[in-house]
Amino acid sequence: DAMVIQNPRYQVTQFGKPVTLSCSQTLNHNVMYWYQQKSSQAPKLLFHYYDKDFNNEADTPDNFQSRRPNTSFCFLDIRSPGLGDAAMYLCATSRAATGYGYTFGSGTRLTVV
Amino acid sequence: DQQVKQNSPSLSVQEGRISILNCDYTNSMFDYFLWYKKYPAEGPTFLISISSIKDKNEDGRFTVFLNKSAKHLSLHIVPSQPGDSAVYFCAAGHMIYNQGGKLIFGQGTELSVKP
Repeated sequence: DAMVIQNPRYQVTQFGKPVTLSCSQTLNHNVMYWYQQKSSQAPKLLFHYYDKDFNNEADTPDNFQSRRPNTSFCFLDIRSPGLGDAAMYLCATSRAATGYGYTFGSGTRLTVV
Repeated sequence: DQQVKQNSPSLSVQEGRISILNCDYTNSMFDYFLWYKKYPAEGPTFLISISSIKDKNEDGRFTVFLNKSAKHLSLHIVPSQPGDSAVYFCAAGHMIYNQGGKLIFGQGTELSVKP
């Protein structure tokens, strides 16, 4: 089945130690998104790629970076994780022509110790 | 500035009755609205959507109503079933040229359907 896969499902990292979360898709969607969701809060868009074009949200901290080496993969890099970065990170994809048909991965829950 | 708000964090309903989940938004640029359903340890899954040119969309037991003048939408589930118990997210979006569609989410409402 075509899908969006996030690895790992659970990630524990040390305070200040760089960490990378990964997302892959078999849907051949040209748009990929990263959302951060903290407990009982709305998922918050960090940035997205439209093909190779990177679109950062104005309030996304510089600590968060992203890479999209090809259509299928997208990575979220947190350069120096703080305790406040502990959250669920959701990857989603969509086909730009259809606009809003997001397909989400299962998410990666990040714990910072 | 929270552009999409779900003011009820939780809702409990008896099986067979109607569930009504509400959502308010502030940005008049939004042209598309969606509801997503999320089970624990899974990503959100698409449930139903409505474009801003309509005021109602129905899909089986699920109906979404849009009131543009009030900037309000609601999701009706009739009849409610225990399997509907999940967190429901309202989302709104607008197309940006050469960037695709961007969705802004509400905080979610946890629905519990009691047998």
